[in-house]
Amino acid sequence: EVQLVESGGDWVHPGGSLRLSCAASGFTFSLYDVHWVRQPTGKGLEWVSAMGTAGDTYYSDSVRGRFTISRENAKNSFYLQMNSLRAGDTAEYYCARSRGYEAFDIWGRGTIVTVSS
Amino acid sequence: EIVMTQSPATLSVSPGERATLSCRASQSLNSNLAWYQQKPGQAPRLLIYDTSTRAAGIPARFSATGSGTEFTLTISSLQSEDFAVYYCQYYNNWPPWTFGQGTKVDIK
Repeated sequence: EVQLVESGGDWVHPGGSLRLSCAASGFTFSLYDVHWVRQPTGKGLEWVSAMGTAGDTYYSDSVRGRFTISRENAKNSFYLQMNSLRAGDTAEYYCARSRGYEAFDIWGRGTIVTVSS
Repeated sequence: EIVMTQSPATLSVSPGERATLSCRASQSLNSNLAWYQQKPGQAPRLLIYDTSTRAAGIPARFSATGSGTEFTLTISSLQSEDFAVYYCQYYNNWPPWTFGQGTKVDIK
């Protein structure tokens, strides 16, 4: 079965750090671009970060300089290192995949990040 | 940056009726437009890609069309499982990958 499974969500103080993981299975992971998309409770979807198959990285303006995306093809996994967290980063974080100029066809179930004092 | 605007914010429809959702772009797009469905407590699911192609396993009651700045998702006869939030997304001129703000389809 093709799937993505997130982990690592937690409650953290403002200014703190957290690392999210996304484990892929059922497909050739190295052939796909990977994404993080977040959704505050009751709000819409916001694309956060992406990494291409060649290691190219992309970030939204709201997280650039604070978040770092990475991948380990040998482990069929990718990650989101989140530093200097703010209350506005509180959301459910989804991982997703795409290929080049294609839609996000597989999504994980999400992991919740809460930033609060 | 391209801005995607969906309307209406909420659409109240009776089961069996047709629902028409709109997605408008701030500039003219190519066909790289997708629609996603999200039910409460679930991840988004790809419904439509390339403006009008149904994803695997999506029922034929879902159809979509559009060009330029105007795109439409139609659900021909709403079933109980179709009440959800629907998002459009443009995936060509990235980054960023832009989503609309969503249309909630609820029971009238």
